[in-house]
Amino acid sequence: KQEVTQIPAALSVPEGENLVLNCSFTDSAIYNLQWFRQDPGKGLTSLLLIQSSQREQTSGRLNASLDKSSGRSTLYIAASQPGDSATYLCAATHFGNEKLTFGTGTRLTIIP
Amino acid sequence: GAGVSQSPSNKVTEKGKDVELRCDPISGHTALYWYRQRLGQGLEFLIYFQGNSAPDKSGLPSDRFSAERTGESVSTLTIQRTQQEDSAVYLCASSLAGRDYGYTFGSGTRLTVV
Repeated sequence: KQEVTQIPAALSVPEGENLVLNCSFTDSAIYNLQWFRQDPGKGLTSLLLIQSSQREQTSGRLNASLDKSSGRSTLYIAASQPGDSATYLCAATHFGNEKLTFGTGTRLTIIP
Repeated sequence: GAGVSQSPSNKVTEKGKDVELRCDPISGHTALYWYRQRLGQGLEFLIYFQGNSAPDKSGLPSDRFSAERTGESVSTLTIQRTQQEDSAVYLCASSLAGRDYGYTFGSGTRLTVV
């Protein structure tokens, strides 16, 4: 059974700093991995989707990497802004089924 | 529509009553998913639709939970004889054709069973 872990559960960083969020998964036979952000009272917003054959994806100030052999993905946020404050979730899918297995998230606070 | 729409946004119900939660996916999206997020916990998969068939119902927690989808459109999640442990945010997502295309989530329905 796939388990997805995100550590730390919460992180506070001064505005302007670069930061890395971590995601670990126990089953390396993933199909793809996605990063989402969740704002209070709102649904999830998709940030980046990495297929199993890819090593990284970039969108603006965000860069996500995937290392299947080590069971890890990271989300790098450059030049953090207060608007980046949210809970960040990673989720994996696997061959043979469609469901996303989610981590429990990292609650990020950017301090102005 | 422009996004995934869920209704109601909030629902308070008495223990033992039945509830229906509705999801309107993005037009043209063939895949639809339901997830549940209990307070302080991660998202749990409930059910996946491709068109109006449900090839994966493995996440439905009990026979009190059921879901249906009309064609490639609206889906309804029904919870019968609600229990307090059913209290959660129920999230719906749709995808153009499945996981290769990513997912768009709705804002969810917050269900409180009292």
